[in-house]
Amino acid sequence: QVHLQESGPGLVKPSQTLSLACAVSGDSITRAGYFWSWVRQHPGKGLEWLGYISYNGTTSYNPSVKSRVTISRDTSKNHFSLSVNSVTAADTATYYCARVSRAIQNQQFQFDPWGPGRLVTVSS
Amino acid sequence: DIVMTQSPLSLPVTLGEPASIACRSSQSLLHTNGVNYLDWYLQRPGQSPQLLIYLGSNRASGVPARFSGSGSGTDFTLKISRVEAEDVGVYYCMQGLHTPPTFGGGTKMEIK
Repeated sequence: QVHLQESGPGLVKPSQTLSLACAVSGDSITRAGYFWSWVRQHPGKGLEWLGYISYNGTTSYNPSVKSRVTISRDTSKNHFSLSVNSVTAADTATYYCARVSRAIQNQQFQFDPWGPGRLVTVSS
Repeated sequence: DIVMTQSPLSLPVTLGEPASIACRSSQSLLHTNGVNYLDWYLQRPGQSPQLLIYLGSNRASGVPARFSGSGSGTDFTLKISRVEAEDVGVYYCMQGLHTPPTFGGGTKMEIK
């Protein structure tokens, strides 16, 4: 069974960098056919896709955050990471990692499973 | 970005009765390969979202048969044949045909 688990600081100061990791067990992040994604949810709000890193290391980001977001991976640890720089209160959210199935032209479907989420608050 | 619009926003239901949620996209989600890139997710209170239906009408592993998805192009429906107490939460549709993937605003289902 595949499990994902987010980890990282729950409190970040404005203008600093938010950094989270997602540990994956039960699957390899280099297995063909999958993207490894980050999605966030502002308090009481809906879901926003931030980006992914592919099984082969390529990345894709939401244009709404592209200039501030980096997704990377450590294949030796089988985990991938999210970095958001220059954070403001608007980045306060629960951050989820998820495995996503990749279709032939990079369409995305089947966000499954999801990690339990990590609430990150941006405050001084 | 493709805009996903769900209705209703709130859905009070009676246990054992059917329920239906609609999702409309601002562009067609039907690929030339005949596949609709539309998923449904349920987020129970205090939990992360879980996959219910993928590619329009395919039930995810472990999802009860009372859940079904239908539709094509821009209009999709999630149906629950008989609502159970564990079905309470917020339902989201999501399109994955175009990047960025986008989610509907959610439909909150609660028991009357």
